[in-house]
Amino acid sequence: ETGVTQTPRHLVMGMTNKKSLKCEQHLGHNAMYWYKQSAKKPLELMFVYNFKEQTENNSVPSRFSPECPNSSHLFLHLHTLQPEDSALYLCASSQFDLQGDTEPLHFGNGTRLTVT
Amino acid sequence: AQSVAQPEDQVNVAEGNPLTVKCTYSVSGNPYLFWYVQYPNRGLQFLLKYITGDNLVKGSYGFEAEFNKSQTSFHLKKPSALVSDSALYFCAVPGPGTYKYIFGTGTRLKVLA
Repeated sequence: ETGVTQTPRHLVMGMTNKKSLKCEQHLGHNAMYWYKQSAKKPLELMFVYNFKEQTENNSVPSRFSPECPNSSHLFLHLHTLQPEDSALYLCASSQFDLQGDTEPLHFGNGTRLTVT
Repeated sequence: AQSVAQPEDQVNVAEGNPLTVKCTYSVSGNPYLFWYVQYPNRGLQFLLKYITGDNLVKGSYGFEAEFNKSQTSFHLKKPSALVSDSALYFCAVPGPGTYKYIFGTGTRLKVLA
């Protein structure tokens, strides 16, 4: 299997539930990202992990909790979400080059989250 | 601050006609510019990038983009559109760290048969 795989593809959860989104990359990249895509809004960067260290938390509410146990796996733990959190959550990876070359992001197909 | 703008929410073009999807940028220093495409129910896919060199960059699926420094633009083009090119297109620029990207709001391209 190649590329970036996200599970589940669809998730419906109530506001009191706890669930997790999973992302796995098979590209040997050293950086992983969570993005939120909502209708009629720009793509929002949520979290960045570089060499397994969280390097960015873009003012994301604490009801979203990321976890990066190794450079191939990334999780997004969800609890007590709000209906406005319904969106497509995209995971991406890239190879961060210490010499400064800028490599493109490789995205998974996303998890469509609906909060009821 | 780095930013990109996509002035058109939607572009309609007839199959076989040339297409252009517009992007303008504001960056400090040398611009690194990217185009991505998103098909329905899929994630974004990388199309092409400009780092330095030739102003005309060729990418996947017959797309190309023209970098214009004086107009601070990086428009995506294709000589002959296909119905299968219908998708959402995003322009992007790396943010303050080279591993963070700032995306435009996206332009929906509809190619009509």
